[in-house]
Amino acid sequence: LAKTTQPISMDSYEGQEVNITCSHNNIATNDYITWYQQFPSQGPRFIIQGYKTKVTNEVASLFIPADRKSSTLSLPRVSLSDTAVYYCLVGEDSSASKIIFGSGTRLSIRP
Amino acid sequence: DTAVSQTPKYLVTQMGNDKSIKCEQNLGHDTMYWYKQDSKKFLKIMFSYNNKELIINETVPNRFSPKSPDKAHLNLHINSLELGDSAVYFCASSQDGTGSQPQHFGDGTRLSIL
Repeated sequence: LAKTTQPISMDSYEGQEVNITCSHNNIATNDYITWYQQFPSQGPRFIIQGYKTKVTNEVASLFIPADRKSSTLSLPRVSLSDTAVYYCLVGEDSSASKIIFGSGTRLSIRP
Repeated sequence: DTAVSQTPKYLVTQMGNDKSIKCEQNLGHDTMYWYKQDSKKFLKIMFSYNNKELIINETVPNRFSPKSPDKAHLNLHINSLELGDSAVYFCASSQDGTGSQPQHFGDGTRLSIL
């Protein structure tokens, strides 16, 4: 099972680019890398997903090196509303035996 | 329209009681899940269920049982509630249960055991 490791917390300021890195040394060949965002009193919300190289959507970018043992979520020009917990999830199979959410990274954005 | 909805949002009850939490998804997804998030914010999968099979996380006590009347619903029934069951429970769904399909979560049910 691919376990993930993320920083517990990060701080940044409005307008800055924020990069959150997740380590997943035991990632398997068929595993996808998925990032979720969670606000207080809400469920996690899907942000982005990738398998290799770089993926970009309207919210974020995901960088995955060739060895896929880590991934970096990049949030461009953050705002106060980006303050949340960000989870990295690795897996090919969403059955209950294969899903492991890490402890997440608590991102705090200051004015 | 809410994609994944859970009821109730809050549930306060006594130790030893039996309670149920309901979940419905209107996304047409084949797979649904239940998660438990404790006070330290760790999200732990409890069950995944699709039309074909129920997969149970081995750490879940058998006091917890998922019940699915149809593909759009996966309710969670808990017998003999204990203090340690206090947590936020999230329901989620995904297209087909593969890792390439993101999960959509409800907003959680906060369960407090007195």
